[in-house]
Amino acid sequence: DIVMTQSPDSLAVSLGERATINCKSSQNIFYSSTNKNYLAWYQQKPGQPPTLLINWASTRESGVPDRFRGSGSGTDFTLTISGLQAEDVAVYYCQQYYSVPNTFGQGTKLEIK
Amino acid sequence: EVQLVESGGGSVQPGGSLSLSCDASGFDFSNYEMNWVRQAPGKGLEWVAHIGFSGTTKYYGDSVEGRFTISRDNTKNSVYLQMNSLRADDTAVYFCARKGGTYWYFDLWGRGNLVSVSS
Repeated sequence: DIVMTQSPDSLAVSLGERATINCKSSQNIFYSSTNKNYLAWYQQKPGQPPTLLINWASTRESGVPDRFRGSGSGTDFTLTISGLQAEDVAVYYCQQYYSVPNTFGQGTKLEIK
Repeated sequence: EVQLVESGGGSVQPGGSLSLSCDASGFDFSNYEMNWVRQAPGKGLEWVAHIGFSGTTKYYGDSVEGRFTISRDNTKNSVYLQMNSLRADDTAVYFCARKGGTYWYFDLWGRGNLVSVSS
């Protein structure tokens, strides 16, 4: 199975500042025939189910604010949240869907400093 | 409204059985593959099971293979998870999740249902 490792486990960022969450896969999840990275990011607010933020490493879902940006390729990926807002407090998960079983990172808890 | 609503679950002793249901609405259920994903208390997400459009194709995570069975009824817009030989480490919130088209990301989630296994 592909292991997804996120860093840091938690971080505290001031309102209006930038938050950066990293995700590393144990294997390359870029498929050359499709020219795509098979990586998604989810947001899980307290007491709620996860919601899909980004797929294909950098494609925002409809309705996701453009302050959320996904980047990276191969084995190293980043979720950047610019201009942090109070509503962004959540746990963020990366997920690879390159191979079965799909697997998630352990999550990164984002709080307000 | 496009939504998934889970029901069932509850508390059971180790070795027991429980079943979960997930009712879909607001979209053409038969055109989507469905999954169960679980989250142990205070832990991360773990994919559990997958079922294809017609119910013929099924996949399971290693930790539940042989103990859990996923099924669906497209006439009722529902997907199910039958859980047998439950263990303490099966304790989790179980989410029903819709597969996003061809690829294995999940674009719609239910609110989840708690399954607790303890003596």
